[in-house]
Amino acid sequence: SQQGEEDPQALSIQEGENATMNCSYKTSINNLQWYRQNSGRGLVHLILIRSNEREKHSGRLRVTLDTSKKSSSLLITASRAADTASYFCATEEREGSNYKLTFGKGTLLTVNP
Amino acid sequence: DAGVIQSPRHEVTEMGQEVTLRCKPISGHDYLFWYRQTMMRGLELLIYFNNNVPIDDSGMPEDRFSAKMPNASFSTLKIQPSEPRDSAVYFCASSLRLTGPDTQYFGPGTRLTVL
Repeated sequence: SQQGEEDPQALSIQEGENATMNCSYKTSINNLQWYRQNSGRGLVHLILIRSNEREKHSGRLRVTLDTSKKSSSLLITASRAADTASYFCATEEREGSNYKLTFGKGTLLTVNP
Repeated sequence: DAGVIQSPRHEVTEMGQEVTLRCKPISGHDYLFWYRQTMMRGLELLIYFNNNVPIDDSGMPEDRFSAKMPNASFSTLKIQPSEPRDSAVYFCASSLRLTGPDTQYFGPGTRLTVL
């Protein structure tokens, strides 16, 4: 089963509004990452938050992590039409030499001009 | 740097044919990853290499899939024989380190259609 599950599966908002996407996971993680994928393109890394961090900012992005609830949220403020894309959370597990980066199925964000 | 380069960008083949996907990682990156993306299963890690050596291939779906990295600047993912259920977008990614702030850089992907 998927480690990371995004919610909602799809989100449609107007330009200028804020967009919030959530990610839940099941096991202990090393860090959690958010990626963006424009239609027909590869994934682009947005932000990484470590398991001992609670909040991180990068430009218009704000990520929170609650390890007790095994959940994360990505907030995009003052959205633009160019933010239209799929957003994925990825959880990194690392134990000794074992490494796993598991992606969720993504949230499709549509920002209407 | 041109980023991660994948070829071909699109591949249409018939069931039973051999398919070879190619990847050139970013120069200096020690790690290379192959992923498969489908609507049903999302993005799955198939295999990853460190310094050209396969480290974990537990994500490779079956023996029909094989991956090689003969040198630091080239990797292939081969499917032989291909089946319609292999239709997906295959991504290659590379990174400087396995974990931490050096994140994975993805190529544009190869869209494979097996008829």
